[in-house]
Amino acid sequence: IAGITQAPTSQILAAGRRMTLRCTQDMRHNAMYWYRQDLGLGLRLIHYSNTAGTTGKGEVPDGYSVSRANTDDFPLTLASAVPSQTSVYFCASSPGAPGNQFFGPGTRLTVL
Amino acid sequence: GQNIDQPTEMTATEGAIVQINCTYQTSGFNGLFWYQQHAGEAPTFLSYNVLDGLEEKGRFSSFLSRSKGYSYLLLKELQMKDSASYLCAVTDSNYQLIWGAGTKLIIKP
Repeated sequence: IAGITQAPTSQILAAGRRMTLRCTQDMRHNAMYWYRQDLGLGLRLIHYSNTAGTTGKGEVPDGYSVSRANTDDFPLTLASAVPSQTSVYFCASSPGAPGNQFFGPGTRLTVL
Repeated sequence: GQNIDQPTEMTATEGAIVQINCTYQTSGFNGLFWYQQHAGEAPTFLSYNVLDGLEEKGRFSSFLSRSKGYSYLLLKELQMKDSASYLCAVTDSNYQLIWGAGTKLIIKP
């Protein structure tokens, strides 16, 4: 693979279910990010990680958690999904913070 | 609070020039990015400005005035493939990117 991959591409989820969105990069970038993008609101940062083993909260962290066990992977977990979490989720990475961010293809999540 | 303003939508003609403006108010400033995002796709990097002035890259140029909290993206010789959203983002004092809502650019033949 080259760049960033995300899985799944899209998902329909029942409210209250737990869901993990996967993100993997092969560029050995230190920093990784999770954003959600909603119409008219632009990209909003959920969580970030400046280096493996560390994470931080962004603008809209409630209802989401992340982990960064190694450099390549940065999964985002919704513990108990709610309809307001319906959005397109983008994972991104950069060599350092902030740096030029490279984005994955996105995951379109619908919570019913 | 932190705020980035861009026009919601602009229309231009193929072959023409268009300027997309971005004004910002952020806690600190460590650079300004422009990204392009085609419908249904991920954003891709276009330009980065940290000092005042104009940065030119082919048909695209980006300008920054830190004292005015202002930037613009200039697109020349517009092509149909330039139809996309253009996102302005500013790096704040915590080195996080603050994003504008984006400007949807429609190119007409």
